[in-house]
Amino acid sequence: SYVLTQPPSVSVAPGETATIPCGGDNIGTKSVHWYQQRPGQAPVLIIYYDDDRPSGIPERFSGSNSGNTATLTISWVEAGDEADYYCQVWDGNTHLAFFGSGTKVTVL
Amino acid sequence: EVQLLESGGDLIQPGGSLRLSCVASGFTFKNYALSWIRQAPGKGLEWVSGISGTTDGTYYADSVRGRFTISRDNSNNTVYLQMNSLSAEDTAVYYCAKVRSHGVGRYFDSWGQGTLVAVSS
Repeated sequence: SYVLTQPPSVSVAPGETATIPCGGDNIGTKSVHWYQQRPGQAPVLIIYYDDDRPSGIPERFSGSNSGNTATLTISWVEAGDEADYYCQVWDGNTHLAFFGSGTKVTVL
Repeated sequence: EVQLLESGGDLIQPGGSLRLSCVASGFTFKNYALSWIRQAPGKGLEWVSGISGTTDGTYYADSVRGRFTISRDNSNNTVYLQMNSLSAEDTAVYYCAKVRSHGVGRYFDSWGQGTLVAVSS
């Protein structure tokens, strides 16, 4: 098992920057992926392989990963960014996937 | 456009069995691994099980190993999750997700809308 730790909530004012950490043992040696889940909807991939964005995802969303912490950064936050955000890694030895506990982003 | 459509969710009594289905379209089904991921009410995401594209390797979370079985029918673009010995802890929305990989590490680039499994007497 591999534990990924996220803060339960983050609050940010419109136009400011939200930073969401995802902690894990030597997570910097793994590839980290991020998902956004709006209320009542299925998750959507927003960052893959630490810092790549799928087509259609705004440049305001960015990622980094080093040491024991991966980070999702949302710049110039908008009201529509209110959602739950989950980090995820894959264990290549066991072929199991692990999700973080999720962070609820509230736009003030 | 990739589409994943889950079905089979229901209200089931503890100890019962259920089979979920996920029909895929918009991509070459046999070339991709797929996974089932669940979300209990008000809780986070939990990876449940995965199946390889062509090798049919199967993998399970500790919480379901021995009770759940994942399988696929490449001729019908469908992946299944057979769930046995269900308990209240299995109550969740179950999502089907397409797996992508560019090397080490895998992620889920497309998700279905989910199907609700409720285990209660």
